Amino acid sequence: EDQVTQSPEALRLQEGESSSLNCSYTVSGLRGLFWYRQDPGKGPEFLFTLYSAGEEKEKERLKATLTKKESFLHITAPKPEDSATYLCAVRSELIFGTGTLLAVQP
Amino acid sequence: EAQVTQNPRYLITVTGKKLTVTCSQNMNHEYMSWYRQDPGLGLRQIYYSMNVEVTDKGDVPEGYKVSRKEKRNFPLILESPSPNQTSLYFCASKGSSSYNEQFFGPGTRLTVL
Repeated sequence: EDQVTQSPEALRLQEGESSSLNCSYTVSGLRGLFWYRQDPGKGPEFLFTLYSAGEEKEKERLKATLTKKESFLHITAPKPEDSATYLCAVRSELIFGTGTLLAVQP
Repeated sequence: EAQVTQNPRYLITVTGKKLTVTCSQNMNHEYMSWYRQDPGLGLRQIYYSMNVEVTDKGDVPEGYKVSRKEKRNFPLILESPSPNQTSLYFCASKGSSSYNEQFFGPGTRLTVL
């Protein structure tokens, strides 16, 4: 059975304090691993698609990496506006993890 | 502006009263889907549609119906809502490739009393 597990459930950082979020997955035939950002009361917003192990993608302060078993979302020098829930998902029909709630304090 | 719209955004209803949540996209996407989001359970897929007149069950289809008569619209129907269907619902759409990202609507918060 396809499964996605994210950790930690919640993370509190000081502004400028870099960290990483983890997404572990088991899937029969990876066809993309997706990262989304979700602000309170809003729909998820697409960030990245990673296609194969070893791939990396960057956007502003975010960098996503992928291995055969997990993906990391690295956040470098975060700002308060990076506060959100970060979701990862596998498969085109999107099997989601339960997300990491990130709070960045000024 | 490319977008997915949902209506209504908020709905409070009573058990057993049929309701429909509409979803429309203006990006000419083949694929559309519905999710529900519940605390501790995350986002789970209810139904999806690969194209007009083609629909299939997701992970949690019980108590829901969908139809896809036009490419742009994908309504979610609750024929006899129950309190366990109280949730936040999202519609999404994407192009036909497996690697295409999904675009999500703003959500519909449903409360069934």
